[in-house]
Formats: sequence, C-alpha cells, structure tokens
Amino acid sequence: AQTVTQSQPEMSVQEAETVTLSCTYDTSESNYYLFWYKQPPSRQMILVIRQEAYKQQNATENRFSVNFQKAAKSFSLKISDSQLGDTAMYFCAFMSPPGAQKLVFGQGTRLTINP
Amino acid sequence: GAGVSQSPSNKVTEKGKDVELRCDPISGHTALYWYRQSLGQGLEFLIYFQGNSAPDKSGLPSDRFSAERTGGSVSTLTIQRTQQEDSAVYLCASSLLPGEPQHFGDGTRLSIL
Repeated sequence: AQTVTQSQPEMSVQEAETVTLSCTYDTSESNYYLFWYKQPPSRQMILVIRQEAYKQQNATENRFSVNFQKAAKSFSLKISDSQLGDTAMYFCAFMSPPGAQKLVFGQGTRLTINP
Repeated sequence: GAGVSQSPSNKVTEKGKDVELRCDPISGHTALYWYRQSLGQGLEFLIYFQGNSAPDKSGLPSDRFSAERTGGSVSTLTIQRTQQEDSAVYLCASSLLPGEPQHFGDGTRLSIL
C-alpha cells in the first residue's frame, strides 16, 4: 500500500521569506502522480501543483515549485516570496492510475505566514 | 457556480440517527470521490464513482456507510446509526476523467452528539 509522510506538523515564516515543505512517499509503482493541495480555513482543498513521475523536470506554478527526487521518493514544495494568503494547511498527495484513482494524503503541514 | 457543491455545510445530529450528505459535481465530470477528514488529520478515501462502472467502495469504514450516484451526476453519502467517531468533515471531489486533478467542494462538517 502506498503511504505519504509529511514530517513537519507546523511551520512558521515571515512574509516574503521562502519556505520548503517536506513530503516523502512509499510505493512500488513506476507510474504515478504527486500533488500538493492547500486547505485554508474555508475548508476547500485547492490544487497547488501537480507532478507526473515520468517527467524529470520539476513542476512550477508562479511562486510555487517542487523538488521531485524519484529515487529518494521525495517531493518537497517550495514557496517563494511568501504571502499572508499562503497561510493554510498543506497536504501532499499521491495517486497511481489506472488501478487506483483515489488520492492518498499525508497528515498535512500547518503553515503560518507572519506579517 | 461552476465548482463542486456540497450540502448541508454543517450537520449536527444525535447518536443513532441516519444522515444524508449531498454532492453535486462539476458539470461534465465523470469521476466522483468521497473523502473523510477527521479533526487535524489528512483525508481518508471512502468511495469512488466512475461513469456506469461499479463503484470502488474499498474505503468505506463499515456497512453503516453507503453511497450512490444517480444519473452519473449527484451523489449522496448515507451514514446509518451514526456514532460519535463518525464526526468529521466529509469532502466530495470530482474530476473530468480518472487520473485528472480532483476539484473539491467545501465539505460537510458532521457533528454527532
């Protein structure tokens, strides 16, 4: 069974700083997707970024980028120039199609951006 | 709106009662998922629907939980004889196709007294 581990329950940084959230996963699959979702207090899960395992290039979305290390099974999220609106729970998630369409989530990291 | 819609937003009920939670996915999305998020925890998969295929019920925690999806659109998650451990936020998601990014609703916060 696949597992996802986020080892940082909470993190706190100052506005405009760069912060990196860690995620490791365990799978025997070779074809899979990895995601970072953001959950603000409003509860809605918002997709931040997605990485296909077969792609060597790290995904980037504006201020958000990932460091995908397939051999190490590591998938960290870097947030540059952090903003107050980035304050949220961040969840790392794994999906291995086509057999299992469900997302397997980590426990989350609560990120606080301080003014 | 164009997003996933869930109702009710909050539900408080007494132990032993049955509850129904509703999810209206994004129009045209063929895949629908239910997850449960207990306090301070990550999301736990419950059930997955894809088109007319038999649903994947592998995440349902007990036979008190069931779900259906009528007409390939709206889904209802039913919990019978609720227990206090059922208290959680129940999130619904949909995707255009299996394997595509999942879009989530705002969830239903269920509280069992």
